[in-house]
Amino acid sequence: DIQMTQSPSSLSASVGDRVTITCRASQDISNYLAWYQQRPGKVPKLLIYAASTLQSGVPSRFSGSGSETDFTLTISSLQPEDVATYYCQKYNSVPHTFGQGTKVDI
Amino acid sequence: QFQLVQSGGEVQKPGASVKVSCKASGYTFSAYHVTWVRQAPGQGLEWMGWISAYSGHIDYAEQFQGRVTMTTDTSTSTAYMELRGLRSDDTAVYFCARVPSFPRTYSDGWGQGTLVTVSS
Repeated sequence: DIQMTQSPSSLSASVGDRVTITCRASQDISNYLAWYQQRPGKVPKLLIYAASTLQSGVPSRFSGSGSETDFTLTISSLQPEDVATYYCQKYNSVPHTFGQGTKVDI
Repeated sequence: QFQLVQSGGEVQKPGASVKVSCKASGYTFSAYHVTWVRQAPGQGLEWMGWISAYSGHIDYAEQFQGRVTMTTDTSTSTAYMELRGLRSDDTAVYFCARVPSFPRTYSDGWGQGTLVTVSS
């Protein structure tokens, strides 16, 4: 099975900072990658799919890039409401494995 | 605006089974897949498998093969996930989520989660 590895596992940044999270697949997954945000105690929410397509209603400060094995999620200007754990997920084929998550604090 | 509403939390003993339901509304249930994801306390998201509400095709994650059964009832727009032979490490919040058809097979909306506690 393809493994998904996120880094870092956690980070702390200031309001207004640019934040970058990386996700690496152990094999080529083309652009079949999604990013989810899970705020503390809440349900996961889809942010980005197809590696770089912003889900409707998601603030434009979120962006995604990458293809094949290396992907990034960027928050251009961190806001207090962005405190959450972020997960990548591959969906090119089963199993639809998640990364282990990146916890973002302020 | 669609919605997935899951059944309430459960406490089960080791070795028992649990069946979680996920009732969909606000979209054509039979046009999508339903996936199940679980999250142990303080841990990350774990994909359990998915079922197509239109074809009935099912894939289970290898670690759950033989213990899990996913079904759908299109007459009530409800998906079910049954997990058997419960162990303490099955204690988790279980989520259902809607999955569009290929190639858009990510989860675009989630149920509220169902806490399953396994304890003697």
